[in-house]
Amino acid sequence: QVQLVQSGAEVKKPGASLKVSCQASGYTFTNYPIHWVRQAPGQRLEWMGWINTATGTTKYSQKFQDRVTITRDTSASTAHMELTSLKSEDTAAYYCARDFGYGDYWGQGTRVIVSS
Amino acid sequence: EIVMTQSPASLSVSPGERATLSCRASESISSNLVWYQQKPGQAPRLLIYGASTRATGIPARFSGSGSGTEFTLTISSPQSEDSAVYYCQQHNNWWTFGQGTKVEIK
Repeated sequence: QVQLVQSGAEVKKPGASLKVSCQASGYTFTNYPIHWVRQAPGQRLEWMGWINTATGTTKYSQKFQDRVTITRDTSASTAHMELTSLKSEDTAAYYCARDFGYGDYWGQGTRVIVSS
Repeated sequence: EIVMTQSPASLSVSPGERATLSCRASESISSNLVWYQQKPGQAPRLLIYGASTRATGIPARFSGSGSGTEFTLTISSPQSEDSAVYYCQQHNNWWTFGQGTKVEIK
């Protein structure tokens, strides 16, 4: 069965960087792009960016353009999302989702707290 | 960016009483609209895609309709387990989400 398993919860200090991984199983990783979405406490879901897992081509939300990098390791069927220069407002749950046009399968989420 | 607006912000219904949720797009998105259900501490769960097609395993009490800019999710006879936040999302031009409707089954 299709699964996206994300790395564990993180606590970071302001100014630090964050890297979250998303390991896919149950399908051919390079057949479907991956999106990254975050959700701050009590807020709506917010799209961060996308990677074509076959070619490595990326697209980022303008809001995060300067701070986010999405990569993939096809040998490990894993996508990564790195966010730099963390602020308290980056406290959120971060999700990866398989792109079937929309998100048909989602990771379990990675909870991130940014606090001094 | 396409802005998605949901109404109402919250809704309280009795079991078996129809619940109707609305979602409006700031420009036409054809039928490139999905609905998710999210419970506390969980990832979103796909309910409806193509504006009106139920995802695998979704009960028939959930139905979607609309196209263009106006969309509706209906829960025909809500059960207690349907208490959750429901989000619409457009995928006509990358992804944007509505702010959610919190549904409480009394």
